Amino acid sequence: GNSVTQMEGPVTLSEEAFLTINCTYTATGYPSLFWYVQYPGEGLQLLLKATKADDKGSNKGFEATYRKETTSFHLEKGSVQVSDSAVYFCALRINTGGFKTIFGAGTRLFVKA
Amino acid sequence: EAQVTQNPRYLITVTGKKLTVTCSQNMNHEYMSWYRQDPGLGLRQIYYSMNVEVTDKGDVPEGYKVSRKEKRNFPLILESPSPNQTSLYFCASQLGAGQGFGEQYFGPGTRLTVT
Repeated sequence: GNSVTQMEGPVTLSEEAFLTINCTYTATGYPSLFWYVQYPGEGLQLLLKATKADDKGSNKGFEATYRKETTSFHLEKGSVQVSDSAVYFCALRINTGGFKTIFGAGTRLFVKA
Repeated sequence: EAQVTQNPRYLITVTGKKLTVTCSQNMNHEYMSWYRQDPGLGLRQIYYSMNVEVTDKGDVPEGYKVSRKEKRNFPLILESPSPNQTSLYFCASQLGAGQGFGEQYFGPGTRLTVT
């Protein structure tokens, strides 16, 4: 079946530290991959996406590369800020049939000043 | 402003009392979806709709109903709510279902408590 596995949180970092949140997936066919971010009390919003193998999505200093050979889409940022504290969700979208989106469990990030 | 709205934002109800959570989008999107968010489980899809009068089950449809009579609205109906439906609910919309329309836009969420 189709699934997304994220590293468990919470992840606690100091400001300006390097961030990696691991995400691996299982899917039939060739899914699109996404990272969404959820700030406290809000809905999810798209952070970045990649639609085919070797694509790199990037936004607001965050990056993730679609690695088909390792079925991974790890999120990275070189220098986190307190304002990056949020819950991050990795997701895949099946591009056939009902075009369902499947989300990982989410990883909570705390950034300390 | 392009947005997805949900009402109510917070709701406390009792077992068995029918309720409806409304969802509306002003972006003329074809694809709409309902999710529930539970700790440690991420978001799970309840129902989705690819266009007016076209709906289908997601991963956890039991105990829920939906309808799509107009393009902009996609209400979620709980005919007889039970405590295990206590959760945070999100509505989302997307321009279309094809591969080029991947980004979903989410509403602010509805926190439902069933006692």
